[in-house]
Amino acid sequence: GAVVSQHPSRVICKSGTSVKIECRSLDFQATTMFWYRQFPKKSLMLMATSNEGSKATYEQGVEKDKFLINHASLTLSTLTVTSAHPEDSSFYICTVLGGRGYTFGSGTRLTVV
Amino acid sequence: AQKITQTQPGMFVQEKEAVTLDCTYDTSDPSYGLFWYKQPSSGEMIFLIYQGSYDQQNATEGRYSLNFQKARKSANLVISASQLGDSAMYFCAMRGGRGGGFKTIFGAGTRLFVKA
Repeated sequence: GAVVSQHPSRVICKSGTSVKIECRSLDFQATTMFWYRQFPKKSLMLMATSNEGSKATYEQGVEKDKFLINHASLTLSTLTVTSAHPEDSSFYICTVLGGRGYTFGSGTRLTVV
Repeated sequence: AQKITQTQPGMFVQEKEAVTLDCTYDTSDPSYGLFWYKQPSSGEMIFLIYQGSYDQQNATEGRYSLNFQKARKSANLVISASQLGDSAMYFCAMRGGRGGGFKTIFGAGTRLFVKA
């Protein structure tokens, strides 16, 4: 299966600043990556589908101007949380579609203070 | 529309015993995939087992087996010989077909507690 690296694993930022999260597919050319958000003790909610070379497809209720996704290459997708607020604090996790199963990044725990 | 349901918020099992985690799903897509993932407290998602909608036999991976009942739209996970390290959250997930963009949705999860 694919090997996925997600960075950073933890980030604390001030309210109003932007945070970029990277998701790299290390050994697999990923034309599609998915970004999920998980609130404490809750399930994973799909935010958007990241497509290499084209615009991301956002799920209903997800603000595309708030959560900017760039999939500029077959190995890298980035999620930028713009003008972060405390309610954006969450666990963000990416996953790569490859083979039978999805491979998940290790996740990024974002805390906005 | 796709839907995944896990009705057990928490489960207890005695070490070395077997446990079944329930999962039901709903989809109109004839082609789909069903997954189970384990999420320990560290937050990482660990792939456990996969069942394709056209697979004739139930999937097995070591101590994990998937009881796939297509007519009932259920995909229960069976963990045999539970170990203390099995204590974690378990998520059932379904990947839709091409028509749905291959999106994967997750159930609410079941927290498993293994008692010594």
